[in-house]
Amino acid sequence: AQSVTQLGSHVSVSEGALVLLRCNYSSSVPPYLFWYVQYPNQGLQLLLKYTSAATLVKGINGFEAEFKKSETSFHLTKPSAHMSDAAEYFCAVSDRSGTASKLTFGTGTRLQVTL
Amino acid sequence: NAGVTQTPKFRILKIGQSMTLQCTQDMNHNYMYWYRQDPGMGLKLIYYSVGAGITDKGEVPNGYNVSRSTTEDFPLRLELAAPSQTSVYFCASSSPINLGSPLHFGNGTRLTVT
Repeated sequence: AQSVTQLGSHVSVSEGALVLLRCNYSSSVPPYLFWYVQYPNQGLQLLLKYTSAATLVKGINGFEAEFKKSETSFHLTKPSAHMSDAAEYFCAVSDRSGTASKLTFGTGTRLQVTL
Repeated sequence: NAGVTQTPKFRILKIGQSMTLQCTQDMNHNYMYWYRQDPGMGLKLIYYSVGAGITDKGEVPNGYNVSRSTTEDFPLRLELAAPSQTSVYFCASSSPINLGSPLHFGNGTRLTVT
């Protein structure tokens, strides 16, 4: 069964600084990978997804993530943090088999952006 | 373009009461899911469905029941509510997961059992 591990339950950065949120997956074959963002009192929104077309995936709001098979990682980055990026971020994984029917989520990383 | 709609947004239950959380989607998705979210614990899958008439248990199904009589609706039933069921509940829907389809989430139902 696949799983994802998000390193760091809380990350704090200054406005304008680089954002790096870490996600490592466990899967016997390259899976589908997703990053979601959750703003306070809202549901989860898709930021970006990896489905194998390109290893560097660009998403909404200036975020991107790079799939690295050798490191089994899919870290989320943004060059310059904005106050509006403060939210909780979830990494998720699903497999490619014909019977795949659900996503497995990480425990989330809360991003704080300070002035 | 409503997407996934959950009702109610908030509810307070007394221990032992029952209720149904409603979820409906207008995207003609076959796959639907119920998750609960507790602080610091991420999302835990309660039940899911891959089509009308088909449901299956997730990680934490105890104390809950679901039905899927139509493609659009996937209600979650709580019988004999317990304080441990205090949580935020999210419904989601998607196209086939094995094709890399993302989940679309509702805005959640915040449930308190006292």
